[in-house]
Amino acid sequence: AAGVIQSPRHLIKEKRETATLKCYPIPRHDTVYWYQQGPGQDPQFLISFYEKMQSDKGSIPDRFSAQQFSDYHSELNMSSLELGDSALYFCASSRSGGAGTDTQYFGPGTRLTVL
Amino acid sequence: AQKVTQAQTEISVVEKEDVTLDCVYETRDTTYYLFWYKQPPSGELVFLIRRNSFDEQNEISGRYSWNFQKSTSSFNFTITASQVVDSAVYFCALSEATPGTYKYIFGTGTRLKVLA
Repeated sequence: AAGVIQSPRHLIKEKRETATLKCYPIPRHDTVYWYQQGPGQDPQFLISFYEKMQSDKGSIPDRFSAQQFSDYHSELNMSSLELGDSALYFCASSRSGGAGTDTQYFGPGTRLTVL
Repeated sequence: AQKVTQAQTEISVVEKEDVTLDCVYETRDTTYYLFWYKQPPSGELVFLIRRNSFDEQNEISGRYSWNFQKSTSSFNFTITASQVVDSAVYFCALSEATPGTYKYIFGTGTRLKVLA
């Protein structure tokens, strides 16, 4: 079965640089979610999109922005990177976008290292 | 406010032992969903189970079983006859059925080490 695809899988950036993470949801899934997982921590919700509209927002820094495109893939843009942004970034997808009713299937994650 | 507590930070067992991972949650919603995910050393998050707040039936899937008790706000996970491949971090998560709320609230995870 097709899974969530994230690219790149690993990314190394310098402080103050910009990074773009991409997420391709499972076919026919219309909702994507982004989470950030710091070392030894639990995943923290950043933002979600349903049918290309932002549906919920968590503790996402103002330096980060995201969008969902017409083909349902999503991109997370991160600017002015800081050392503390080093983390594993997960994208998840679900179908129908119903609040709290859908199982989120997670991608393999993008490991971002900021030097 | 919603919260998930996994009090066990790390558990070590010897292969073939049974082990129970605890999860306690807090929510003001009457409709909510609970999940368990497995994060092996490779890092991905693997979905294991979803349970809604109206279904208190316990569930068994192979060596895995889950015990949901609303009276104690707990959703515990038991692995029977553990195997080395069960070594991972296990996360319990809560999602509320409030319109506009889509996020999962994760517990801090329990690292399970199964020793050969």
